[in-house]
Amino acid sequence: DAKTTQPTSMDCAEGRAANLPCNHSTISGNEYVYWYRQIHSQGPQYIIHGLKNNETNEMASLIITEDRKSSTLILPHATLRDTAVYYCIVRPRSNDYKLSFGAGTTVTVRA
Amino acid sequence: GAVVSQHPSWVICKSGTSVKIECRSLDFQATTMFWYRQFPKQSLMLMATSNEGSKATYEQGVEKDKFLINHASLTLSTLTVTSAHPEDSSFYICSASGRLRAFFGQGTRLTVV
Repeated sequence: DAKTTQPTSMDCAEGRAANLPCNHSTISGNEYVYWYRQIHSQGPQYIIHGLKNNETNEMASLIITEDRKSSTLILPHATLRDTAVYYCIVRPRSNDYKLSFGAGTTVTVRA
Repeated sequence: GAVVSQHPSWVICKSGTSVKIECRSLDFQATTMFWYRQFPKQSLMLMATSNEGSKATYEQGVEKDKFLINHASLTLSTLTVTSAHPEDSSFYICSASGRLRAFFGQGTRLTVV
């Protein structure tokens, strides 16, 4: 599976947009980009996923570059409850959701 | 949305005893479930793939005789930590393959004393 690179940590202000980058320069054509987050002492929570088009749901937006080598997760209006570790994961279509977690980005939302 | 439930949420056991953790998919059938382990301040590490009706597949370095996995039905997988020792203390998390994504349980905090 392609590897991902994320910043170790980032702070953002409550009410502002949080932009979380992820590099996946070795991604192949049949691999999806998934984002999960893990709030302290809980199981990971699905956020969003995409293949090549930008995606939006009630939680976030996912912007994938045209060459698919990187993506950005956007939390439009961060709240204190969005404080968590965010994981960007690349998953092959045939993988059956066997996910490989990297270190993720620790996001701290401050009032 | 789909829900995966783990039980118990936390457990404390004595060294040398065995502990069973259950993972249930509540509103969908999962032929494949996964078990992860997470130590403090670390990421999730995949331990094994649980396949309904067949033997589990273990990741390199995970002792299959110590971490027994049973996936007897399409909605239930169990992980039994046998002869637990303090170094087995960790956060154990399961996931189930559903439509378009993996769904995770809330995790089980195991403390071996």
